[in-house]
Amino acid sequence: AQTVTQSQPEMSVQEAETVTLSCTYDTSESDYYLFWYKQPPSRQMILVIRQEAYKQQNATENRFSVNFQKAAKSFSLKISDSQLGDAAMYFCAYKTDKLIFGTGTRLQVFP
Amino acid sequence: DTGVSQDPRHKITKRGQNVTFRCDPISEHNRLYWYRQTLGQGPEFLTYFQNEAQLEKSRLLSDRFSAERPKGSFSTLEIQRTEQGDSAMYLCASSLSLAARNEQFFGPGTRLTVL
Repeated sequence: AQTVTQSQPEMSVQEAETVTLSCTYDTSESDYYLFWYKQPPSRQMILVIRQEAYKQQNATENRFSVNFQKAAKSFSLKISDSQLGDAAMYFCAYKTDKLIFGTGTRLQVFP
Repeated sequence: DTGVSQDPRHKITKRGQNVTFRCDPISEHNRLYWYRQTLGQGPEFLTYFQNEAQLEKSRLLSDRFSAERPKGSFSTLEIQRTEQGDSAMYLCASSLSLAARNEQFFGPGTRLTVL
């Protein structure tokens, strides 16, 4: 069975600084997708970034980038130039048909 | 229609009562998913539909839970004889096509409290 582990329940960062959120997963599949979703307080979940497992190049979306290490089954999210609006729960997710989520990392951003 | 909608947003019920939630996906999306999220946890998969066919159900979905998507558009999730352990946020998501890369768009959720 596939599992997703986020070992950092909480992280904090100062505005304009960089923070990295960790995620590891376990699967025997070779073709899959990985996602980072953001869930702001009392608001709905939105996609931050996605990575196809067959692609070696790390995905980048503006200030968000990933470090995808397929052999190590690691998929970390780097947020550069952190903003107050980045404060939220961040969930790492593995997907074939359905999404399998980690337990989340709560990110606090301080001015 | 710009997103996934869910109704109601909040539901408080007494133990033993039945409740039904509705999800309206993005109109052209043929896949619809239900997840459950308890406090401090990530969402857990419950079931999903492709058009009107229910393709997979999690073992979390006990026989008190039933989901339908009768015309391949909106879906309902019914919980019979609710228990306090059913208290959670119930999330609906939809996506287009079969491609695994396709993003699932989430609704705002229905928060269920069982007293």
